[in-house]
Amino acid sequence: QKEVEQDPGPLSVPEGAIVSLNCTYSNSAFQYFMWYRQYSRKGPELLMYTYSSGNKEDGRFTAQVDKSSKYISLFIRDSQPSDSATYLCAMSKSGGSNYKLTFGKGTLLTVNP
Amino acid sequence: ETGVTQTPRHLVMGMTNKKSLKCEQHLGHNAMYWYKQSAKKPLELMFVYNFKEQTENNSVPSRFSPECPNSSHLFLHLHTLQPEDSALYLCASSPVGGASSYEQYFGPGTRLTVT
Repeated sequence: QKEVEQDPGPLSVPEGAIVSLNCTYSNSAFQYFMWYRQYSRKGPELLMYTYSSGNKEDGRFTAQVDKSSKYISLFIRDSQPSDSATYLCAMSKSGGSNYKLTFGKGTLLTVNP
Repeated sequence: ETGVTQTPRHLVMGMTNKKSLKCEQHLGHNAMYWYKQSAKKPLELMFVYNFKEQTENNSVPSRFSPECPNSSHLFLHLHTLQPEDSALYLCASSPVGGASSYEQYFGPGTRLTVT
């Protein structure tokens, strides 16, 4: 079983739709959960992070972590064409090795005007 | 721009060539990373440097040789590569220690093609 599973998509939605992106994981030691966004021909950029379980909101973006189900989500409200990118989930353990990020494969999202 | 630059952006090399990738960060970070991104695969951590010292080698073949002369610069020396080494090579940097180590800032990557 892979440590982090992420549906690669592609996912295509109309402008204004609510987008739900998800990852599941198998290692219960993961404590930090991140979402990176990667535009074509660019490096990933950190979008949101959450420590342990719970929700975090930043503008149109909401990150959710359910540690009991080993499931994380990123919701995008009122999606815009500029949100079209690959979204990567990443996770790390706490303590001295929290720089070791384990990534999902990424989900390619296209928001159509 | 993220404050992390990489050169060259594109590189085509033969299996017998020797080339180097360069990364520079202007963020005052003390940790730098090399990642490999292949199609349909997750990002793979290759090397980690903290304060110029290598702290992680993720079982990377010796045909990849990193160098970190100071906290702002990172190189990846390449020699006798294989076609399966063709990928996007990403450099990243972060603060050292504490929760902020996961806040990694990536460069745009070098697209490497081995012929």
